[in-house]
Amino acid sequence: GDSVTQMEGPVTLSEEAFLTINCTYTATGYPSLFWYVQYPGEGLQLLLKATKADDKGSNKGFEATYRKETTSFHLEKGSVQVSDSAVYFCALSNNAGNNRKLIWGLGTSLAVNP
Amino acid sequence: DGGITQSPKYLFRKEGQNVTLSCEQNLNHDAMYWYRQDPGQGLRLIYYSQIVNDFQKGDIAEGYSVSREKKESFPLTVTSAQKNPTAFYLCASSPGTSGGLAKNIQYFGAGTRLSVL
Repeated sequence: GDSVTQMEGPVTLSEEAFLTINCTYTATGYPSLFWYVQYPGEGLQLLLKATKADDKGSNKGFEATYRKETTSFHLEKGSVQVSDSAVYFCALSNNAGNNRKLIWGLGTSLAVNP
Repeated sequence: DGGITQSPKYLFRKEGQNVTLSCEQNLNHDAMYWYRQDPGQGLRLIYYSQIVNDFQKGDIAEGYSVSREKKESFPLTVTSAQKNPTAFYLCASSPGTSGGLAKNIQYFGAGTRLSVL
């Protein structure tokens, strides 16, 4: 079945460092891919998305490119801030049929130190 | 403002008691979902509903029940059969069929933290 694998955390960085959180997936067909962010004590928010191969999603300085050849959707940011400290989830939706469920990675915790 | 409202924010359950978590959305979304999140773990799907008066079990439905009598509302009951209910519960909704490529984007409430007394 479909699955999402994220790099394990926690990831600890200093402010202004470069961030990469790896995400790879297994899916039939042409899934849509998402990154969500969860700040402490809150629900999840959609950070960015990509719906087809080679699409680049971007938001708040974060970027991720849908790479079908490597089945990956790695999250990157050039210069992290303390306010980026959160848990990041990679997810996919298989757009076949009436399936509305998202398949979730386990989440990667990021801590940014001043 | 459109969004998803979960209440209460904190809830305490006594032994043998059923408790109900509320989830209301004014986004006119067809689909709604309940997830459980334990510390340091990902999201696990409890139940989901793609349309009013219909719902399906997710991966960990045992000890939980839901109803979907109105499009806006998807309450979750944690029954006494759920022996380890302490967790953070998240409700979400998505547009469904009418949403085009956005049909599966899920929007989340702020969560309910349930603890056992």
